[in-house]
Amino acid sequence: DVKVTQSSRYLVKRTGEKVFLECVQDMDHENMFWYRQDPGLGLRLIYFSYDVKMKEKGDIPEGYSVSREKKERFSLILESASTNQTSMYLCASSFIKGNTEAFFGQGTRLTVV
Amino acid sequence: GQNIDQPTEMTATEGAIVQINCTYQTSGFNGLFWYQQHAGEAPTFLSYNVLDGLEEKGRFSSFLSRSKGYSYLLLKELQMKDSASYLCAVRDYTNAGKSTFGDGTTLTVKP
Repeated sequence: DVKVTQSSRYLVKRTGEKVFLECVQDMDHENMFWYRQDPGLGLRLIYFSYDVKMKEKGDIPEGYSVSREKKERFSLILESASTNQTSMYLCASSFIKGNTEAFFGQGTRLTVV
Repeated sequence: GQNIDQPTEMTATEGAIVQINCTYQTSGFNGLFWYQQHAGEAPTFLSYNVLDGLEEKGRFSSFLSRSKGYSYLLLKELQMKDSASYLCAVRDYTNAGKSTFGDGTTLTVKP
C-alpha cells in the first residue's frame, strides 16, 4: 500500500513561532509537493522538489521555505508563523514522468493564534 | 502559466448521471487528472487523460479535447457516497511534472 505520511494531523502554533511540517513517502517518488488548501481558493502550490536538495517555488512561496535532504522526506518550514498561514497543508508525491498521479498525505490542519 | 475553471457547486439525484466540466489554458499541456476529495480527507486519484477521447473506469468516465482545452468527468448511477469535491488538475510539460489544480466542484447527491 502506497503511503504519504504527514507528521501531524492537527497543529496549533503561536504567531512568530518557527513551524516545521514533515512529510515522508515510501514509493521512491522523485517529485514531492506542498500545497495549502483554503475554502474557495482550492489547492495552491507552495513549493515542489524533483530531486534531493532541489526545490522550485510554486504559486505562493512567500513566508515559506522547504528542505529535501533525503529522497523520501520533504519538509515545509514557516519561518515566522502568521495568522494568515492558518490553513490545511497537503503534501503529495509522484513519479517525474508519464501518466502518474500524485498521492497525497492526510493533511495537517495548522492554526496560528 | 495555467488557468483552470470548473463550476463551484453541483447537485444531482441518487441514481442519476452528472457531468462536471473543466476548461483550461496552458502553455505546455502534459495530461489532465481528476481527483475526488471527501470532506476532511486527502484527494484521491480518479482518472487521467493525455490523448483526446473518453477513458472509462466503471461508473466514472473522463473525456478530453486538447484543441478545445476542455475535459469533463461523467459520473453514472450516482450514489450518496459520491458526494465530494472533484478536482481537475493539469500537468505542465515544462516543470518536472508539476500539476495545477482547479478550485474544485462540490457535488451534493440527494436521495
